[in-house]
Amino acid sequence: AQKITQAQTEISVVEKEDVTLDCVYETRDTTYYLFWYKQPPSGELVFLIRRNSFDEQNEISGRYSWNFQKSTSSFNFTITASQVVDSAVYFCALSEAYETSYDKVIFGPGTSLSVIP
Amino acid sequence: DSGVTQTPKHLITATGQRVTLRCSPRSGDLSVYWYQQSLDQGLQFLIQYYNGEERAKGNILERFSAQQFPDLHSELNLSSLELGDSALYFCASSRRPRGGETQYFGPGTRLLVL
Repeated sequence: AQKITQAQTEISVVEKEDVTLDCVYETRDTTYYLFWYKQPPSGELVFLIRRNSFDEQNEISGRYSWNFQKSTSSFNFTITASQVVDSAVYFCALSEAYETSYDKVIFGPGTSLSVIP
Repeated sequence: DSGVTQTPKHLITATGQRVTLRCSPRSGDLSVYWYQQSLDQGLQFLIQYYNGEERAKGNILERFSAQQFPDLHSELNLSSLELGDSALYFCASSRRPRGGETQYFGPGTRLLVL
C-alpha cells in the first residue's frame, strides 16, 4: 500500500537558517510521482514541485531544492536562507501513474515549519 | 493564484442542515477532485469527476454527494450535517484524469457545524 511518512511534525528555525523537511514514501509501483505542497496560514494549498520516479535529478529553484533518492525512498525538501514567509505546513504527496488506476494522491501528515525572525 | 475558485470561503451552519459547496476548475481542466482536511484525519480524498462523470470515490460518506456540470464546475453537497463534518473542504483540478497529473487546489471552504 502507498504511504507517506513525514516524521517531523513541527520544526522551528531562526530566519536565514537552512531547513530540510523529510519525506519517506512507500509504494509497490515502479512508476509513481511525488509532490510537495505548501499550506500557509491563509489555508490554501500551493503546488511546489512534481517529480516522477524515473527522474532522480535533484532540482534547485531559487531558495528551494529537492533531493530525490529512490534507494532510500526519500524525497526531501530544503529551504535555504529561510524567511518568515516560509512559515507554513508542508505536505509531501505520492501518486500512482498507471492509466488504469485513478489518479489517487496520498498526502503525508504534513510538517509545520515556523521561521522565527 | 491556482486558477481554481471555490465558494463560499466560510460557512457556518447547524447540525442536521444541508449545504452546497461550489468549485470552478482551472480553464481547460476536465478533472475535479474534492478533499476534506480535518485535524484528526488530515487531507482525505473524497471523490473525483472527469468531464461530468464520477470517476473515483474515496472516503466519502453516504450523506455527501457531488456532481460535475456540463460547464465543468462541480458542487459538493453535504447533508444531515454533524459536528464532525466541520473541516476545510478543498477542490482541486487537473488537465487529465491520469495518475501523476498535478492537481491544483482552490482556496478551500471552511465549514463549521454548530
